[in-house]
Amino acid sequence: RKEVEQDPGPFNVPEGATVAFNCTYSNSASQSFFWYRQDCRKEPKLLMSVYSSGNEDGRFTAQLNRASQYISLLIRDSKLSDSATYLCVVPTGGRRALTFGSGTRLQVQP
Amino acid sequence: DVKVTQSSRYLVKRTGEKVFLECVQDMDHENMFWYRQDPGLGLRLIYFSYDVKMKEKGDIPEGYSVSREKKERFSLILESASTNQTSMYLCASSPSTGESPLHFGNGTRLTVT
Repeated sequence: RKEVEQDPGPFNVPEGATVAFNCTYSNSASQSFFWYRQDCRKEPKLLMSVYSSGNEDGRFTAQLNRASQYISLLIRDSKLSDSATYLCVVPTGGRRALTFGSGTRLQVQP
Repeated sequence: DVKVTQSSRYLVKRTGEKVFLECVQDMDHENMFWYRQDPGLGLRLIYFSYDVKMKEKGDIPEGYSVSREKKERFSLILESASTNQTSMYLCASSPSTGESPLHFGNGTRLTVT
């Protein structure tokens, strides 16, 4: 099993829709998780950190399910500007820091 | 705000050239990382460093070396560039291992011809 797995998408949704992405991980010792957003040809930028059961920031909600070893990202009321690739990130353990999923691409359409 | 600066946004080099990619961070972070990102392969860790003069291999270190002589600067060296090293290179830093998010530079798009 890969350390971090994401559905690559693309997810094509209309403006105003609610969309959710899942990410599964294999390292059960992980304590904190992150979602990054990456625009085309740009660097990844931190979107949200998830340190316990979940986190909410405006239209974005991240949830953690330790028993099933997945984290999810929910985006409500999608905007055109939400179109990007969303990367799930999990601590690998030791000095190696973080492992990135390959990303889920979201395209919000007018 | 953390600032991670990569010296070049775009680079074009010839096969066999020695290439230096420079990265500087201004937040006194202990850890620095070099990734490459290719379509369909995601982010892959090349090398990382958790202290001055310390370095560890990542998942794909072959053909690369690194240097960390000062805490704020982490250099990636392609000893003899090859066409399969054409990629987007991303430098990142973090204040501690494992549980802290990374802060990325804006990337260097390297083309080797």
